Amino acid sequence: DTGVSQDPRHKITKRGQNVTFRCDPISEHNRLYWYRQTLGQGPEFLTYFQNEAQLEKSRLLSDRFSAERPKGSFSTLEIQRTEQGDSAMYLCASSLPKTPESGNTIYFGEGSWLTVV
Amino acid sequence: GQNIDQPTEMTATEGAIVQINCTYQTSGFNGLFWYQQHAGEAPTFLSYNVLDGLEEKGRFSSFLSRSKGYSYLLLKELQMKDSASYLCAPAAGNKLTFGGGTRVLVKP
Repeated sequence: DTGVSQDPRHKITKRGQNVTFRCDPISEHNRLYWYRQTLGQGPEFLTYFQNEAQLEKSRLLSDRFSAERPKGSFSTLEIQRTEQGDSAMYLCASSLPKTPESGNTIYFGEGSWLTVV
Repeated sequence: GQNIDQPTEMTATEGAIVQINCTYQTSGFNGLFWYQQHAGEAPTFLSYNVLDGLEEKGRFSSFLSRSKGYSYLLLKELQMKDSASYLCAPAAGNKLTFGGGTRVLVKP
C-alpha cells in the first residue's frame, strides 16, 4: 500500500497522559498536513510542513501540541497533558509541491482516533 | 479569514439527483475542492474547480462562481453507496479549509 499511513489507528488514554501519533506520507510528497476532525464536523487545519520546515500552525495548535518532521519524511504529532476536549480523529495528509494552488490534490490517511477518558 | 456554509444534511432517493450548495468567503482564494467521506473513513478527492463553470466527471459534477463565492456539487443517478458526507473545501495559500460537510442519505 503506497498511500498515507497513520499509526496508531486508535488510542484510548487517560486525561493528563501524553500521546504521539505517527504519519508516513506518500513517498514523493514533500508537503504534509495535520488536521483534526470531530464527529459531524469537517476537518480543521492544524499545521503543515514543506519538507522538514513547519510553515504554518493554526491557533488551534495550543502549547500542548507539537508536530515534527525531522527528516522531511514521516511526521509525529504529540499531545501533552491530554484533555477530554482533545478527543477527535487526527488526520494526516500529504501532497505534491504547489498544492493546492496548482490543482494537485491532498491525499488523506485513515486517521488516528483519540479518546481521552 | 474563512467562512464556509453548506447544508448539514440532505436525503434523496436512489436514482435521483441531489445538488449540494456551498458558499464561502475566503481570503486569497485559489480554487475549490470537493471531497467525499464515508463514516469512519478518510476524505477522498472528488473534484477541483479553479475557473468559473461546470466540471463534469461521470455521475458527479461541480460548479464554481468565483465572483459569487459559490459552488455546488451535483450527484446524478444516486446509488446507495453515495450515502456519505460531502465536504466543500476552498483552497487559499497552501492549505484547504473544510466546511462542516453535508451528510447525504440515499434511500431505496
